[in-house]
Amino acid sequence: GQNIDQPTEMTATEGAIVQINCTYQTSGFNGLFWYQQHAGEAPTFLSYNVLDGLEEKGRFSSFLSRSKGYSYLLLKELQMKDSASYLCAVRDSNYQLIWGAGTKLIIKP
Amino acid sequence: IAGITQAPTSQILAAGRRMTLRCTQDMRHNAMYWYRQDLGLGLRLIHYSNTAGTTGKGEVPDGYSVSRANTDDFPLTLASAVPSQTSVYFCASSDSTNSPLHFGNGTRLTVT
Repeated sequence: GQNIDQPTEMTATEGAIVQINCTYQTSGFNGLFWYQQHAGEAPTFLSYNVLDGLEEKGRFSSFLSRSKGYSYLLLKELQMKDSASYLCAVRDSNYQLIWGAGTKLIIKP
Repeated sequence: IAGITQAPTSQILAAGRRMTLRCTQDMRHNAMYWYRQDLGLGLRLIHYSNTAGTTGKGEVPDGYSVSRANTDDFPLTLASAVPSQTSVYFCASSDSTNSPLHFGNGTRLTVT
């Protein structure tokens, strides 16, 4: 079966750096997405990786290794507003998105 | 402001009743999707439509139906609601199968 694994919850300190990991086993691969979801709100798109390597976008970066079935989202200079759930999703060979359960990130002052 | 509008925002529904969740987008996206989100689980695809006039079943389609009469609207119908359909429902759209999804604000449905 298809599977996306990410930690359930992580805690970090304001101003610090945190890395959220995602491992996947899917039928084919056509890209990996990271979304941010604040409590009670809709998911919003953060990043997209289809080739191996690091994609940087401001304070957020996302890394992909297709051979290892692995990605991470790196958040730098953490702010209180970064407290949210972070969802990893993989597009399979049928171009359907397979979603992880999300990682709840708690930022402490 | 361009985007996706879902209605209602929340609803309490008696078991056995019929309910249609509305979804409208003004971005002229070809593909639209309905997901449900339950605590501890990833988003699960209910139904999707790659273009107006076509629909397909997702991972959890039982008890739900959709239609796509035009590009903008993609309603989701529960023919006879059951308590296990209590969830948060998100409608989403994308320009193509390779593009990121844009989500509506969700409908919180409680079936009693």
